[in-house]
Parts: sequence; structure tokens; C-alpha cells
Amino acid sequence: DTAVSQTPKYLVTQMGNDKSIKCEQNLGHDTMYWYKQDSKKFLKIMFSYNNKELIINETVPNRFSPKSPDKAHLNLHINSLELGDSAVYFCASSLRTGTMNTEAFFGQGTRLTVV
Amino acid sequence: DQQVKQNSPSLSVQEGRISILNCDYTNSMFDYFLWYKKYPAEGPTFLISISSIKDKNEDGRFTVFLNKSAKHLSLHIVPSQPGDSAVYFCAASGGSGNTGKLIFGQGTTLQVKP
Repeated sequence: DTAVSQTPKYLVTQMGNDKSIKCEQNLGHDTMYWYKQDSKKFLKIMFSYNNKELIINETVPNRFSPKSPDKAHLNLHINSLELGDSAVYFCASSLRTGTMNTEAFFGQGTRLTVV
Repeated sequence: DQQVKQNSPSLSVQEGRISILNCDYTNSMFDYFLWYKKYPAEGPTFLISISSIKDKNEDGRFTVFLNKSAKHLSLHIVPSQPGDSAVYFCAASGGSGNTGKLIFGQGTTLQVKP
């Protein structure tokens, strides 16, 4: 019973295409995130949504647009894909109680390759 | 500007011995620290965490130590097992306007030899 699931796991596409990555969590968490792991293996946050409201947008090109139809889903849409977008994208979720943090749970990742 | 650093890219230990993974941070506003374990082609898995009000947290074979004055934390694994071989990421969160985002180190690859 997967807690955070994202699809697809692998995505190969041509430059200029538009693609989406879907993410769903069944943990009842109120906050969801997108992280990017680049070729140097750094994991960096891209976006965060809390109860469907955008709370973090980390200087990501506006070709990337997250969409949260409800608090269990956070999808990532990427327009006009570029070679530099090739990376592994991780979805995550966590439960925030006031200002207290809890651990984030991650999906298995989507390896995006732009050719 | 990397706020969380893991200066050892790799570590190799013998099964049964202790593994010590280190992490340094620069932002004194961080108040929550975590360790994640990652196998190839999988997402990071939460291992253990520590709040800045503590200096030690233990969970089975895993212990995390926090030295706030030195802005340093470490993960001890005792005894190490071959199944512990993975990439370990240190992460931190907190500060003003805390949004729950995690700042990750670049990871340390642990190899435990049988």
C-alpha cells in the first residue's frame, strides 16, 4: 500500500514537448512538495503546497507549473521541455502541526530524460 | 550557497562495526534535522530525526547526535549491516517563515562490507 506514489517512473521525451508528472499521497498529509535531484545528486525543493495553496516557489522557471486539485494530489506540468530539465523529480508529503515540522515521505521518483 | 554539507562523499566499513556519517550546517535558524536513506531508483526513506532542543536521539541501531554550537550532526549506525549500504542524506528545516521545506546535503554513500 504505497504512501506517496508518482507516475510515471520513467519519462523520455523530446525537447519542446509538454509533459506532466502525477503524485498522490494516501497519508492524510496536508502539505505536498516537489523536489528535483540534478545530475550532481543534489536534492532541491521546487514547490510546496499546503491544503491546495502554494506556499513555496523556489525560483523555478515558469515553464514548471504545479497543480493541486485536492490536498492528496500534487501534479507537475512542464512546458517546452529543455535538455537541462533532465533530472529525477521526487514528490513528497508531510504533516505540519502549527510551526512544528514532521518528516517528509517521498515517492519513488520520476526520471525525466529530455532528448 | 550550500547551507547543509556532507563533506564525505563515501564511507566504507566492515559489517558489525560502527558507521559514522557527518553533516554540517550554516544556518543557525534550523531547528529540525533529519537523516534519509536512499537506495538506487527509489525515493529517500526517512530514518531518524532530531529537534534542536535535544542533543541525541536513538532508534534501534541508529543514533543521531546534534552539536548546535558546532553546527554539526552525525548519524551512528551500530552494528552496521550489509543492508545498510545506501546513500545517506542529511536534511534540515526551520527558520523564519518556516514552510517545512527540507534543505539537503549532497549525500554520503555508505558501503558495508560482509
